[in-house]
Amino acid sequence: AQKITQTQPGMFVQEKEAVTLDCTYDTSDPSYGLFWYKQPSSGEMIFLIYQGSYDQQNATEGRYSLNFQKARKSANLVISASQLGDSAMYFCAMRERVNAGNMLTFGGGTRLMVKP
Amino acid sequence: GAVVSQHPSRVICKSGTSVKIECRSLDFQATTMFWYRQFPKKSLMLMATSNEGSKATYEQGVEKDKFLINHASLTLSTLTVTSAHPEDSSFYICSANLGVDQPQHFGDGTRLSIL
Repeated sequence: AQKITQTQPGMFVQEKEAVTLDCTYDTSDPSYGLFWYKQPSSGEMIFLIYQGSYDQQNATEGRYSLNFQKARKSANLVISASQLGDSAMYFCAMRERVNAGNMLTFGGGTRLMVKP
Repeated sequence: GAVVSQHPSRVICKSGTSVKIECRSLDFQATTMFWYRQFPKKSLMLMATSNEGSKATYEQGVEKDKFLINHASLTLSTLTVTSAHPEDSSFYICSANLGVDQPQHFGDGTRLSIL
């Protein structure tokens, strides 16, 4: 079974509007972390936001927030007030405590395109 | 600023050449680094976990004799693609952790093109 699923291969959003990128995960490890990364066309991976499985509140970082619904095993990324520079690939990733090496498992990604 | 430096950013070479890619942690020590491969419009696929002072741990299906990993110091891991062929052309990217509950920070990646 897929550990990380991103069901939206591509999405459009109008500039200045908010957008939600979906991510669901599968783990039996009670201790895990969820990450979102942005990958522009130039290729670098930019860390956006982190949510720990024991965190009581949803993570926020500037225009990024994570809608963490633990019972549903979802960790959707919300980008508010979209900008043209937000156009990129977005990857959701999970790190399970059972992986002593702290390796990440990535979802398939969502390509976000912001329209002017 | 960048916390992980990867070099070179782009390599174009002939088939049969061996190519070395370096991944350096800047201002911190990384006992573990990770090497990923990414095909166009696909996600990152973990190739191996590089362990300082010991052998790398390779993921299933990754040829360890093809992709040699050396982690000789706490700030440097290298990936050598030996006798590269066109099918090895890809985007390779490394990462390292600052700490247990810290995000992985990535290098800028290496675009490898084998002619």
